[in-house]
Amino acid sequence: GEDVEQSLFLSVREGDSSVINCTYTDSSSTYLYWYKQEPGAGLQLLTYIFSNMDMKQDQRLTVLLNKKDKHLSLRIADTQTGDSAIYFCAESKVFYGANNLFFGTGTRLTVIP
Amino acid sequence: DAGITQSPRHKVTETGTPVTLRCHQTENHRYMYWYRQDPGHGLRLIHYSYGVKDTDKGEVSDGYSVSRSKTEDFLLTLESATSSQTSVYFCAMTGHSSGEQYFGPGTRLTVT
Repeated sequence: GEDVEQSLFLSVREGDSSVINCTYTDSSSTYLYWYKQEPGAGLQLLTYIFSNMDMKQDQRLTVLLNKKDKHLSLRIADTQTGDSAIYFCAESKVFYGANNLFFGTGTRLTVIP
Repeated sequence: DAGITQSPRHKVTETGTPVTLRCHQTENHRYMYWYRQDPGHGLRLIHYSYGVKDTDKGEVSDGYSVSRSKTEDFLLTLESATSSQTSVYFCAMTGHSSGEQYFGPGTRLTVT
């Protein structure tokens, strides 16, 4: 399988920025993804970035991609208590037209009021 | 995503019994997936489908089989459940060129 690596935990104070990092393995991944999982729920797609982009911004979220180092990061500006969750990055590989995703172990973000 | 549901949401079963989990989507998407989520492993792909009657193995397929007789339904079967298959199972679908997947709410399976 693929080895996508993330740190397990991150704590930030409410109002600060959060940066969640990820390293992936497959340089041929066309898209890279960030998902959020709240307790007892499924995964919610936050954003994704096409591999020929360096940066993508979507409201409070900024994704940075360094293809040379195979490093992906998610920055959350003005972090709120509602952002407390587990965040997964995922790389992709296509088989029979299906875009199979390979996930990291997830980073648990705790926002301190 | 409201367009994808899973049943049952919770199940407790005994070792050696067969179990079938159902995933149902209303989006007419071609591709569907089954994952399991375990602490320290993130999500791992069990099987996927690229069309009706077209399926293939993922990275942790041993002990599992799948079937897709209709576009909207993707079934995951544990022929003889073992305690190592205690997990949370997620179904997902995609039909977009950017490949993003949309997940169901999950099924928590406990094998005693």
